[in-house]
Amino acid sequence: KQEVTQIPAALSVPEGENLVLNCSFTDSAIYNLQWFRQDPGKGLTSLLLIQSSQREQTSGRLNASLDKSSGRSTLYIAASQPGDSATYLCAVKASYDKVIFGPGTSLSVIP
Amino acid sequence: SAVISQKPSRDICQRGTSLTIQCQVDSQVTMMFWYRQQPGQSLTLIATANQGSEATYESGFVIDKFPISRPNLTFSTLTVSNMSPEDSSIYLCSVEKINRGRTDTQYFGPGTRLTVL
Repeated sequence: KQEVTQIPAALSVPEGENLVLNCSFTDSAIYNLQWFRQDPGKGLTSLLLIQSSQREQTSGRLNASLDKSSGRSTLYIAASQPGDSATYLCAVKASYDKVIFGPGTSLSVIP
Repeated sequence: SAVISQKPSRDICQRGTSLTIQCQVDSQVTMMFWYRQQPGQSLTLIATANQGSEATYESGFVIDKFPISRPNLTFSTLTVSNMSPEDSSIYLCSVEKINRGRTDTQYFGPGTRLTVL
């Protein structure tokens, strides 16, 4: 059974710092891995999607990597801003009709 | 991309009643997904809804409690039946789209925040 974990559970950094969020999954047989952002009381916004055949994806200040063999993904945020404060969720597509979410990392960027 | 709307955005309901949540997508999609997010928790998949067939429920969720309709390729409803305070959660509708350069991206609606008294 696929399980997804994320560390740290919460993170507080000063504005301008680079930071790394971690996601681990137990079964390397995945279709893809997606990183989402959730603002309080809101739905989810897709940030990056990495297909199982890919190693990384980049969008602006965000870079996500995927190492299937070790069951890990990282989300790197460069030059963090207060507007980056949110909960970040990683989600693994384990089959054609099932996506399993991690518990999330709550990020606070202090001005 | 996909734009998803949900109604209602929030509701406060009495124990024992039922609430139907609507999900509308701006384009045709094959699969729609319903998730629950309990307070302080991550998302849990309730069921997958394909047009023209019965919904597929995850372990711990049953059709009698969470009946789902999928009458066409842009719309679905989730009913939370015989509610109890433990059903207080955010309910999210989601679809999967295949776009040039970004396959299988998952999009979410804004959610329905349900409080059961």
